[in-house]
Amino acid sequence: EAQVTQNPRYLITVTGKKLTVTCSQNMNHEYMSWYRQDPGLGLRQIYYSMNVEVTDKGDVPEGYKVSRKEKRNFPLILESPSPNQTSLYFCASSLSLASNTGELFFGEGSRLTVL
Amino acid sequence: AQKITQTQPGMFVQEKEAVTLDCTYDTSDQSYGLFWYKQPSSGEMIFLIYQGSYDEQNATEGRYSLNFQKARKSANLVISASQLGDSAMYFCAMRGFSYNTDKLIFGTGTRLQVFP
Repeated sequence: EAQVTQNPRYLITVTGKKLTVTCSQNMNHEYMSWYRQDPGLGLRQIYYSMNVEVTDKGDVPEGYKVSRKEKRNFPLILESPSPNQTSLYFCASSLSLASNTGELFFGEGSRLTVL
Repeated sequence: AQKITQTQPGMFVQEKEAVTLDCTYDTSDQSYGLFWYKQPSSGEMIFLIYQGSYDEQNATEGRYSLNFQKARKSANLVISASQLGDSAMYFCAMRGFSYNTDKLIFGTGTRLQVFP
């Protein structure tokens, strides 16, 4: 089954404790992206990757890191989480726009609470 | 810079009626795509419809159609014959593709409530 898998789905942590949210897709998609969703603000792009070893900042990259060492994986790293990073996080992937409509396939979301 | 604007935080519609959800955009990219996604209360993001910037005809997918007016930079979603299951959050999104960037941004969403 074609899917984007995020883990963990739910996490409560404390300020400053490094955490990683994993994202994996099995559709051989070149493009992967992370978003955070907050009430009244919609989905805001954190980072995206157009292919392996190619990453770029979205609109809200501060406090986050990513890596794309393999095509299927795109982990989101919070080196020192703070309460303002409490949010619902989505990973998504797609073929490159040049080869398709560019529809994004989303993971189920990861709800993160930082105390 | 790219921007998506959804000016309707909430909309109500009666079952079986049609409803239009507004979306305007701004981009300097020549080539771009416009999307609508549905997010029910369960939280998943469901793709509804896509319109390419060079497509001359408005996109349709079942009860969903996208009213694309390029000169006005608008991409409104029309849902015909609303059903109770259409109650959800709806997001408009745009993907601009240029030489070395590929950003896909979302609007703030419109919450649609369908009543009997």
